[in-house]
Order: sequence, then structure tokens, then C-alpha cells
Amino acid sequence: GAVVSQHPSWVICKSGTSVKIECRSLDFQATTMFWYRQFPKQSLMLMATSNEGSKATYEQGVEKDKFLINHASLTLSTLTVTSAHPEDSSFYICSARAGTGDTEAFFGQGTRLTVV
Amino acid sequence: KNEVEQSPQNLTAQEGEFITINCSYSVGISALHWLQQHPGGGIVSLFMLSSGKKKHGRLIATINIQEKHSSLHITASHPRDSAVYICAVKGSNYQLIWGAGTKLIIKP
Repeated sequence: GAVVSQHPSWVICKSGTSVKIECRSLDFQATTMFWYRQFPKQSLMLMATSNEGSKATYEQGVEKDKFLINHASLTLSTLTVTSAHPEDSSFYICSARAGTGDTEAFFGQGTRLTVV
Repeated sequence: KNEVEQSPQNLTAQEGEFITINCSYSVGISALHWLQQHPGGGIVSLFMLSSGKKKHGRLIATINIQEKHSSLHITASHPRDSAVYICAVKGSNYQLIWGAGTKLIIKP
């Protein structure tokens, strides 16, 4: 299947700093990328959906000014956690989809963020 | 009640056993995914189904649209199959609704 590369796989940062997570589709053009967050022992929760060249659509309860999503090209989306706090510590996963509708989405490896 | 229910939540079995994980959903869907999440967190997409049955190696996935139910089977299970298996359905807005996952442990 198609490959989605997410980087970094893990990061530790100090409270108050910002962290950027990259999601790249390596062998296809991703018209849509999804960002998910997973707290320990919980299901993945959709944070936002981004279409290339458009502003991201955030799910209810997700602060768009805190979780900045940029989908500037068909192969790259970034999630920046601004002014990170310990409660932002979580596992973040992106998925990318070419086309629309029923097109299959492929997942990145995930990024484990720990804010100290 | 969750829109996607998985059972069992936890499953421990001996190597070689036939494994079945179930997923029931209550919404209209266009497709259903089975995914595998390894202890490190990385997710691998196993199947995407909209009808019938798919097989890949020792893994088999079935879906019954009328009954709103899907099953994931693992034949000749192996300790390396130990992981969390997640069912996710693609709803009418094409976004995924996730099940809580089934933690599978295969003992040697």
C-alpha cells in the first residue's frame, strides 16, 4: 500500500515551547489529511481535517490556535502544538487520502509527544 | 451507546489458536476498516471493506452490511500478532468513527 511518513516518532519538549509534527505522503498526492490524537487506553479522536490549500476544519473542542495545521502541498501536512502543556502529552497520528469519498486512507507511524 | 462497538475488549490466547474479533456499528457506512496498532503506537491498515470478505495471509475480514457487523479472524495465531486491533467505520461524511479497540495477546 501507499506510504505515509510521520516525523518525529517521539519528542520531549518543555512546557511553553512549540512542537511541529510532519506528515508526508511518499508515493501519492494526498488531497486530504487527517490528524488524530490518542490518550492512553483511549480511542483515536479526530482533531482536524485538512485539504490541500485550504484551512483545516477542526473538530469541536479542538483549539485551532493551539493546534496549527498547515497543508501547503499535496504531500505534506504539519501539525504544530503551540505553547505546549503537560496535558498535551499524547500520541498524535496523521492519515492521508488521495481523492475523496471512499478512497482509502493510509496512516503515519504516529508521534508520541511528552511535555515536561 | 457508542456508534462502533468492539468485542472482546481484551483477548488472551495460546499460539496457534483461531482468533475472532467482532465489530458492530449503528450508523450507515460506506466502508469499514480494520487496523492494527502495535505497542509503540504505529497503526497499520489491514483491510478496508464495503461488502463480503477479504483475505490477506492469515487474516480474514468479513462484513455483513444488513446486520451491521464485521469480524476479523486470525488463523494459526502467533505471538507477533499481539497488538490492538481497531475497527473504524467510514460514515456518511467520510470521516472515520473509531471503535475502542481489542487488545490481543498471543502467548507462546
